[in-house]
Amino acid sequence: TQLLEQSPQFLSIQEGENLTVYCNSSSVFSSLQWYRQEPGEGPVLLVTVVTGGEVKKLKRLTFQFGDARKDSSLHITAAQPGDTGLYLCAGPSNGNAGKSTFGDGTTLTVKP
Amino acid sequence: DTGVSQNPRHKITKRGQNVTFRCDPISEHNRLYWYRQTLGQGPEFLTYFQNEAQLEKSRLLSDRFSAERPKGSFSTLEIQRTEQGDSAMYLCASSLAGAMREQYFGPGTRLTVT
Repeated sequence: TQLLEQSPQFLSIQEGENLTVYCNSSSVFSSLQWYRQEPGEGPVLLVTVVTGGEVKKLKRLTFQFGDARKDSSLHITAAQPGDTGLYLCAGPSNGNAGKSTFGDGTTLTVKP
Repeated sequence: DTGVSQNPRHKITKRGQNVTFRCDPISEHNRLYWYRQTLGQGPEFLTYFQNEAQLEKSRLLSDRFSAERPKGSFSTLEIQRTEQGDSAMYLCASSLAGAMREQYFGPGTRLTVT
């Protein structure tokens, strides 16, 4: 079973600070997705990374896929209170046509 | 298209009752997924459909759970004889078939079993 471990589990920072959260596995993933989830709502897809070493930017968010496609990171520059939420990474389960595995997420709180 | 919709958004039921949830996927998506999420955890896979065919069901899913997608469009998830441990957020997602598997989620149905 492919597992995704996310760290840290919780992160609380002040507005304007930078942060990085991590998604790690011992298995290779063909792609990884990052989602953000607000309380009481479903996850919202942010980005998909596919190629080892790939870097994608979405405004103040920078996503990187590890060279070996076993890990990924999300860096937020100058965090804002609107960035508060649960950040989840997910990837296709090994050898399965449809199932995806999710990490347990990083809960980010950005204080004004 | 307004995205994936789920109904109801909230359901409170007494232990032992049956409940049914509905999911309407993005219209051009042929895959539909059901997940369960409890506090502090990521979504946990329950089952998925490609068109009307149910292709996989989690071993964690007891016989009290059943899902259908009769015409390859909307889907229903039924839980029979609910237990307090069934209390969770039930999420539906849809996607196109393909390796990247970008799933688009609905807002979820919050089930509380008393």
